[in-house]
Amino acid sequence: VLLRESGPALVQPSETLSLTCTISGGSMTGHYWSWIRQSPEKGLEWIGYSFYTGSTYYNPSLKSRVSISVDTPNNQFSLRLTSVTSADTAVYYCVRGATAWSFDWFGPWGLGTVVTVSS
Amino acid sequence: EIVLTQSPGSLSLSPGERATLSCRASQTFTSNYLAWYQQRPGQAPRLLIYGVSNRASGIPDRFSGSGSGTDFTLTINRLEPEDSAVYFCQQYVMSHVTFGRGTKVEIK
Repeated sequence: VLLRESGPALVQPSETLSLTCTISGGSMTGHYWSWIRQSPEKGLEWIGYSFYTGSTYYNPSLKSRVSISVDTPNNQFSLRLTSVTSADTAVYYCVRGATAWSFDWFGPWGLGTVVTVSS
Repeated sequence: EIVLTQSPGSLSLSPGERATLSCRASQTFTSNYLAWYQQRPGQAPRLLIYGVSNRASGIPDRFSGSGSGTDFTLTINRLEPEDSAVYFCQQYVMSHVTFGRGTKVEIK
């Protein structure tokens, strides 16, 4: 299974960050699909997940600004993060839950995409 | 939120030596939802150990995990140059996930 992130590398402050993850080599069925970001300031930060059914759960610290959705026919899932600030500048990874039908640990990971919030 | 503190921050060892990495949790968690990841320079993290002590697919038996309660350890035996990386621990309790800040391992 391979995951690849895509989306704008630069986002204006107060705007919405939108990323898509395309999955190849496997089905979305039975797995949890997460977004995780990494920055020097905060380290690795789990953003949230969507189960393949569309059921979601978000990091409480980001919950008010985050939305994750799945598009199983096209083997994709997406992240929307609203009202971004410079604190949202990070490498964003899309990640599959390692264990089918269970949310616990993560793998495989996408290569990551750098998103910078700046005017 | 459970905070994971990793130590040491970095270590430098020679090939063939053993590395011992620590991950301490701010609260005891009775589940075995503790994992370790390896992140080589310029790459995404890779799952090494899950459920405290289980090696992920394709991970050599030089890597082992142990621990319980609040104290967990990743041991890397017979270090090889390819083991140069940052190692992170991760916990999952009550649908909330946190990561440690990592230990950087340098192979001399």
